[in-house]
Amino acid sequence: DVKVTQSSRYLVKRTGEKVFLECVQDMDHENMFWYRQDPGLGLRLIYFSYDVKMKEKGDIPEGYSVSREKKERFSLILESASTNQTSMYLCASSLARSSAEAFFGQGTRLTVV
Amino acid sequence: SQQGEEDPQALSIQEGENATMNCSYKTSINNLQWYRQNSGRGLVHLILIRSNEREKHSGRLRVTLDTSKKSSSLLITASRAADTASYFCATDARGRGYQKVTFGIGTKLQVIP
Repeated sequence: DVKVTQSSRYLVKRTGEKVFLECVQDMDHENMFWYRQDPGLGLRLIYFSYDVKMKEKGDIPEGYSVSREKKERFSLILESASTNQTSMYLCASSLARSSAEAFFGQGTRLTVV
Repeated sequence: SQQGEEDPQALSIQEGENATMNCSYKTSINNLQWYRQNSGRGLVHLILIRSNEREKHSGRLRVTLDTSKKSSSLLITASRAADTASYFCATDARGRGYQKVTFGIGTKLQVIP
């Protein structure tokens, strides 16, 4: 079974802190994605990566950056956390072919106080 | 901006009834997928329909796709209480060597026993 693992289920950080959300997949997938999910807004794509060291902005990249130094790991970085970044963060991965399904981690619920 | 928009946003039915959810999207797609999310968890892939297909079945699920109207529907027949979840459509757009997957707002389905 494909496994996508997010490092934390729940996280509480202070405003202004630098926050790292880690995601690891074990199926050699080329594509990896970070989404945030908010009530009434669904899933919004923050950043995605289609290869090591490659990244593309999604629909809401402001306030975030990413890192993909190894194929299996995709990190989301909040440079200076703000309260409006309180959200559920979901990581996903997929093979690099057009019919590939995405596999999701369990999510990290981040609260910025 | 959201690529997929699900309709209705919430649906409540009795066990045994059919549930229909709709999805509209804006740009050309390679395929469209439906996912399910149980409360507070990650998303799980249900079914994929390619842009050259009109209808697809999987167990109690039936998906249709109308590319001329840029819309899709998911029908769950003979619903069960365990079908209670949120359902999302996702579209796949290709860029310069990458594949971008974006999701809609979702339909929250409640099946009453």
